[in-house]
Amino acid sequence: TQLLEQSPQFLSIQEGENLTVYCNSSSVFSSLQWYRQEPGEGPVLLVTVVTGGEVKKLKRLTFQFGDARKDSSLHITAAQPGDTGLYLCACNFGNEKLTFGTGTRLTIIP
Amino acid sequence: DTAVSQTPKYLVTQMGNDKSIKCEQNLGHDTMYWYKQDSKKFLKIMFSYNNKELIINETVPNRFSPKSPDKAHLNLHINSLELGDSAVYFCASSQVWSQQYFGPGTRLTVT
Repeated sequence: TQLLEQSPQFLSIQEGENLTVYCNSSSVFSSLQWYRQEPGEGPVLLVTVVTGGEVKKLKRLTFQFGDARKDSSLHITAAQPGDTGLYLCACNFGNEKLTFGTGTRLTIIP
Repeated sequence: DTAVSQTPKYLVTQMGNDKSIKCEQNLGHDTMYWYKQDSKKFLKIMFSYNNKELIINETVPNRFSPKSPDKAHLNLHINSLELGDSAVYFCASSQVWSQQYFGPGTRLTVT
């Protein structure tokens, strides 16, 4: 079974601070996505990264795909309460099926 | 304007009962999915249908039976509900597998 481990599992920080969450696998994946899920809602796609070493920015969010295509990180600058949610990475191991990570529950304290 | 909708939002039922969850998408997508999210927030695919044909069937008990009357609908019927079936069930749709749109979820509680 191919697994995606996310760390940390829980993260609680003050508004205005920076943070990074990680997504790691022992297997190479074809592409990787990051989703955010708010309470009572379904996951919403934030970004897809495809190329090893790729960096994408979405306002205060920076996504990086590892060179070896086995890991990814999400960095948030100057976190805001609206960033609170469950962050899920999801990848494809070449079979057109999404495998989701274990999730990071992020809480931004005003 | 709702893209992917599910009913009901909440479902509380007793062990042994049979229940259905409905899903509809108005995005014109060819592929629809059912996912299960457990109490630890782990999200796992259960089924996928493309144009009413089953294309992904993960290791799911055969008490779970998806039905797709047309490509805009994918319903999930569950027989003989068990305590371990309690979870949030998400429907999703996509035109390409890498761009999936999720519904709001159905929280199923089996007592």
